[in-house]
Amino acid sequence: DAMVIQNPRYQVTQFGKPVTLSCSQTLNHNVMYWYQQKSSQAPKLLFHYYDKDFNNEADTPDNFQSRRPNTSFCFLDIRSPGLGDAAMYLCATSRDMETQYFGPGTRLLVL
Amino acid sequence: AQSVTQLDSHVSVSEGTPVLLRCNYSSSYSPSLFWYVQHPNKGLQLLLKYTSAATLVKGINGFEAEFKKSETSFHLTKPSAHMSDAAEYFCVVSVRNNDMRFGAGTRLTVKP
Repeated sequence: DAMVIQNPRYQVTQFGKPVTLSCSQTLNHNVMYWYQQKSSQAPKLLFHYYDKDFNNEADTPDNFQSRRPNTSFCFLDIRSPGLGDAAMYLCATSRDMETQYFGPGTRLLVL
Repeated sequence: AQSVTQLDSHVSVSEGTPVLLRCNYSSSYSPSLFWYVQHPNKGLQLLLKYTSAATLVKGINGFEAEFKKSETSFHLTKPSAHMSDAAEYFCVVSVRNNDMRFGAGTRLTVKP
C-alpha cells in the first residue's frame, strides 16, 4: 500500500545532542511537510517542501532544519534539542497542495 | 485569513448512540474543509473532506459531515458510536493547502 513512513517511531536524545528524524513516502507526492505536535495540542506546521523549494514558517525556530534529498525522503534535523522540543513530529505529503496524508509520527523525548 | 473553531474540547457518548462533533470555520474564500482522526500515539488519518462538490460528505468508518455555508459550519456526525471511535478529532480549514488551519481538537470518549 502507498504510504507515509516515519522512522524511528520513538526517539530519545540528550539535551543539546543533534537528532535527525526521517520520513519517506511511496505516494510520489511532490509536497512534504513537517509538523510539531505537543501534548493535547493541534499540529503546528514547521516547514514544507514544494518539490525542491523549501518553505519555512515564520515562527519556526532556527534550531529546526530540513533536508529533502529526493522526492521520496525528507529529514528533520534538530541541531540542539531543548526540553521544550519534546513532542510528536508528524510528516505529511500531498500532491500540489491538495489533501495532506500523514505518517504515524515520531515521538521525541529529550533527557 | 481563515480559522476554525471546534466548539467542544471533549465529547462523551455511549456506545451505539449518535456522535456530533461541532466545527465552525471562517474563511474569506471558498474553503476546503477536512476532518482528521488521531488515535493515541498515532498519526492523523483523513476521515473526509469537502472541496465544493456535494455539501453532504461521506467518509470512512460511517462518519459524515455537512457543509453549511449559511452557518459556516462543518459538523461531523455518526449515527452509532463504536468503542473504536474513541480518539481525538481535528477539523481543518484550508484555502491553499500549505495554509491549513487546525482546530484545537475534540476528544471523543465512548462509554460501554
